[in-house]
Amino acid sequence: QITLKESGPALVKPTQTLTLTCTFSGFSLSTVGVGVGWIRQPPGKALEWLALIYWDDDKRYSPSLRSRLTVTKDTSKNQVVLVMTNMDPVDTATYYCAHRPPSAPSLKYYFDSWGQGTLVTVSS
Amino acid sequence: EIVMTQIPATLSVSPGERATLSCRASQSVGSNLAWYQQRPGQSPRLLIYGASTRATGIPGRFSGSGSGTQFTLTISSLQSEDFAVYYCQQYNNWPPEASFGQGTKLEIK
Repeated sequence: QITLKESGPALVKPTQTLTLTCTFSGFSLSTVGVGVGWIRQPPGKALEWLALIYWDDDKRYSPSLRSRLTVTKDTSKNQVVLVMTNMDPVDTATYYCAHRPPSAPSLKYYFDSWGQGTLVTVSS
Repeated sequence: EIVMTQIPATLSVSPGERATLSCRASQSVGSNLAWYQQRPGQSPRLLIYGASTRATGIPGRFSGSGSGTQFTLTISSLQSEDFAVYYCQQYNNWPPEASFGQGTKLEIK
């Protein structure tokens, strides 16, 4: 059974850097084809894909947020970390990490297991 | 950038009836489309991928169809637990990215 759980600060100030950790179980990020993605959802709004990291350390970012995002993995700890710089109140959202199945077409991603999400509020 | 448009924003249907939700892509995505269900206070759940393949554990009353730019999610006989928000997501474009529609809220009539 695949499980993922996001952790990080609930409140950050404008201009600060946000660091979120996704801790997962039930799969290995060293398995060919596996990926972990980050998706966010502002309160009452739609989902927005942010980033994805593959088993081979290939990384993909949303074009609109690329300059602010960094995603890394620690395979031995079963963790993926997302760093977002220069936080703004419009970045207030629930942040999810999710599993990209290895059966997905090459270089394409959908997500078959999601974490519970963590709400991050950006306010001074 | 591929823009996904979901129509309608809200759909009112009675329990036991059929619901048909639409998703349109601004350019062809082939069959690289997924549908998710999000119940209030919960994380999204994958229903359909590849436009028409049900994910593991998804009941047979959920079906997906379409290709190119027009897609449909059909729920054949609505159960109380099906009233939720549904999102489509394309995963076709290059450079690879994932873009979601704005969602359709399925509410009880």
